This record gives sequence, structure tokens and C-alpha cells, in this order.
Amino acid sequence: DQQVKQNSPSLSVQEGRISILNCDYTNSMFDYFLWYKKYPAEGPTFLISISSIKDKNEDGRFTVFLNKSAKHLSLHIVPSQPGDSAVYFCAVTTSGTYKYIFGTGTRLKVLA
Amino acid sequence: DAGVIQSPRHEVTEMGQEVTLRCKPISGHNSLFWYRQTMMRGLELLIYFNNNVPIDDSGMPEDRFSAKMPNASFSTLKIQPSEPRDSAVYFCASSPTLTTDYGYTFGSGTRLTVV
Repeated sequence: DQQVKQNSPSLSVQEGRISILNCDYTNSMFDYFLWYKKYPAEGPTFLISISSIKDKNEDGRFTVFLNKSAKHLSLHIVPSQPGDSAVYFCAVTTSGTYKYIFGTGTRLKVLA
Repeated sequence: DAGVIQSPRHEVTEMGQEVTLRCKPISGHNSLFWYRQTMMRGLELLIYFNNNVPIDDSGMPEDRFSAKMPNASFSTLKIQPSEPRDSAVYFCASSPTLTTDYGYTFGSGTRLTVV
């Protein structure tokens, strides 16, 4: 059974608007969370992370929110740009295990 | 730095043949990870090494899969014999240490097709 779920395989957003990508996990032991971005024919690249001691982390246009009680994290991109069009993966881990478990990804398309 | 280098970029092979995927991690990175990406299961961790030593291979799907890291600058993932269900994109990633706040650096992947 999947421990990390990204239930929206794809998302289309107009340029300049907000993109919200969601990720749900099942195990409350996970305490570190990351988002990766992947362009076609390239490997995933690290985007932003958050520790379970926080509920929000911001880096420029990208903000990750963590709701531990709901076992849910989200990535907000504001404003969205066409160059943000990519597949976004969330990844979770438990400190000390050194294993990142990835979701199946959400394909974001930002329309100009 | 050239980043994590994987070869070949694409591999097409016939069922039953041996396949070897190669990875050169970033110089100075002590941890190396092999992942497999499929549509159904996303990115799955197959095995990881620390200081050239395999730490956890519980993600390796079957005995047909094996991985080695003979030195700090080279790793291989071998499938013998290959089967059509092994078709996927295989990624290698490296990191300065096992624990990092900034994730891993991935290579561009090897797209394997077994016919």
C-alpha cells in the first residue's frame, strides 16, 4: 500500500495564479518532508523542504505547508510561471532511516 | 561540477539479456542511491550505499537485481536476466552524507526498455 499519495496526477493553472499541489501520507513517524521538481529527460531536483517542527516554510515563490494532524502537506507556487511546468514529487522520511519515500507525482502545466 | 552522471541514457534490450547501468556520483559525496521510476509506483528506492558500503538493499525487487560500488566514484546496477516488467527509468542520486536538509542530487536517469 502506498505510504505517500499525490491524488492529482495533473493540474493546469493560468500564469500568475496560485498553484497548489497536495500530498498525503499515512505514517505519523515521518518527520521530514521535501518537494522535488522534475523536467522531462532530467532527474528530479530538490525544491524545498520542511521539518515536522514547523508548519510552514517559504522560499521565494514557493511555500510548503505541513498539517501533521491531517498528515498532509502542500506546495504553493505564487505567482505561477510557465517555467514552473514540470512534474512535482513529494518525498517523506523518518530521521535516521535515510530513506525517502516518494509520491507518484503531479504534472503541473502553467498556461501562458 | 558535472553533477551525477549516468550511462547509458537509453537502453533497449531483449528479454533474458544482462543489463548494466552505470553511475558516477558527485565528487566528495559519500552516499549513493539507486531509484526506479514507473508510472504506477512512482520513484522507488532500490538500494543505497554509504562510503561504498551497501546499507540497505530491501528495495531491490528480486535476486535478478544486484548493485555494486567498487569505489567512491562509480556504481553499477545490474539486471540479469532482464524481463519486460523491468522497463522503467532508473535514477542514481548522491548526497554528501546520508542525512541532508537539501535532498539528494539526481542524475538524468537511464530509460530501460526490455522487449
